[in-house]
Amino acid sequence: ELKVEQNPLFLSMQEGKNYTIYCNYSTTSDRLYWYRQDPGKSLESLFVLLSNGAVKQEGRLMASLDTKARLSTLHITAAVHDLSATYFCAVDIYGGSQGNLIFGKGTKLSVKP
Amino acid sequence: SAVISQKPSRDICQRGTSLTIQCQVDSQVTMMFWYRQQPGQSLTLIATANQGSEATYESGFVIDKFPISRPNLTFSTLTVSNLSPEDSSIYLCSVEGLVIEQFFGPGTRLTVL
Repeated sequence: ELKVEQNPLFLSMQEGKNYTIYCNYSTTSDRLYWYRQDPGKSLESLFVLLSNGAVKQEGRLMASLDTKARLSTLHITAAVHDLSATYFCAVDIYGGSQGNLIFGKGTKLSVKP
Repeated sequence: SAVISQKPSRDICQRGTSLTIQCQVDSQVTMMFWYRQQPGQSLTLIATANQGSEATYESGFVIDKFPISRPNLTFSTLTVSNLSPEDSSIYLCSVEGLVIEQFFGPGTRLTVL
């Protein structure tokens, strides 16, 4: 059974600081997704990582994937309040083009002035 | 990216009744999925809605409780039957886009009294 573990589950940061969210998964997969969810809202796609060593950046967020270690990271640089949200990683359980995702429990990020 | 709409956006239902949720996409898609997000929790895949054949259910979800229709490549419905308070959740449909990203609808917030 594929398990996806995120840590930390809760993260309180000060503006301007850097931090990393970790996502470990238990079996081989060649697709990893990062999503953002604001309270009461649906999921916003942030990144799709498709290969070992993949790195993608958008603004203050950078995601990377190490398929050998079964680890993805979401790095936050110089956090701002607008980044406060819950961040989910998800792994495609079948690989290929099946598209079924197993989600981590989410990391609730709070950025304080 | 695909534009996904869901109806209703929220509903309050009585125990023992059923609710049918509609998901409409603005373009033809092969893969459509239904997820459940229980309060304060992560997302769990319920089933894959297959066009022209029965849905494929994940472990712990059965057709009698969650019947799904997929009459064409842009539309699907999920019915949550014989409602109990434990069914109170957000139900989201998602689709896989052309470039592997998976997009989520706005969700349907169900409260069962």
